[in-house]
Amino acid sequence: GAGVSQTPSNKVTEKGKYVELRCDPISGHTALYWYRQSLGQGPEFLIYFQGTGAADDSGLPNDRFFAVRPEGSVSTLKIQRTERGDSAVYLCASSLGVRETQYFGPGTRLLVL
Amino acid sequence: TQLLEQSPQFLSIQEGENLTVYCNSSSVFSSLQWYRQEPGEGPVLLVTVVTGGEVKKLKRLTFQFGDARKDSSLHITAAQPGDTGLYLCAGRRNNDMRFGAGTRLTVKP
Repeated sequence: GAGVSQTPSNKVTEKGKYVELRCDPISGHTALYWYRQSLGQGPEFLIYFQGTGAADDSGLPNDRFFAVRPEGSVSTLKIQRTERGDSAVYLCASSLGVRETQYFGPGTRLLVL
Repeated sequence: TQLLEQSPQFLSIQEGENLTVYCNSSSVFSSLQWYRQEPGEGPVLLVTVVTGGEVKKLKRLTFQFGDARKDSSLHITAAQPGDTGLYLCAGRRNNDMRFGAGTRLTVKP
């Protein structure tokens, strides 16, 4: 079956621009998670959704970061006024329910010049 | 400050050697997971340990959860080049999960 997919796989943008990163979870998974992984580090939690609602957004670094999941399936992570420090791999994971095994996508590599 | 400290950060060994990597924290977790991540891919779950003192084996990999559920270790017997990758531990508290920085293992043929 299809796993978690993320698009684009790579994104290069200029400082100050707006970007959107998309995550397609495994069909039927109600929980969806976003993580950010910087070079040499483990994934850092950003936000997770249970259905359509953001159950915990405590990991979002500031108000330039926002995520939505309007229909409880696909999610979009939005970053406004990008900064060079936002460069990282953004990982998405989904699970059948909260506390179930999380399955990760391949990530989107974001480079802000 | 990392909630979970993994050591060593880097490890390079020859094929056939044994190794142990560690994951330590001052926090108690309801469960702890080990993942392996290869370049250009997301982490893949290897095992979940839940009970203090629990030991799980997955072929040549042995995972142990500390009695106090604050730390864990991963032991690999007779390492192979295919074991090369980034080994991440992640601790779960309630509904969230936090990762360590990982141990980057290289097994040379």
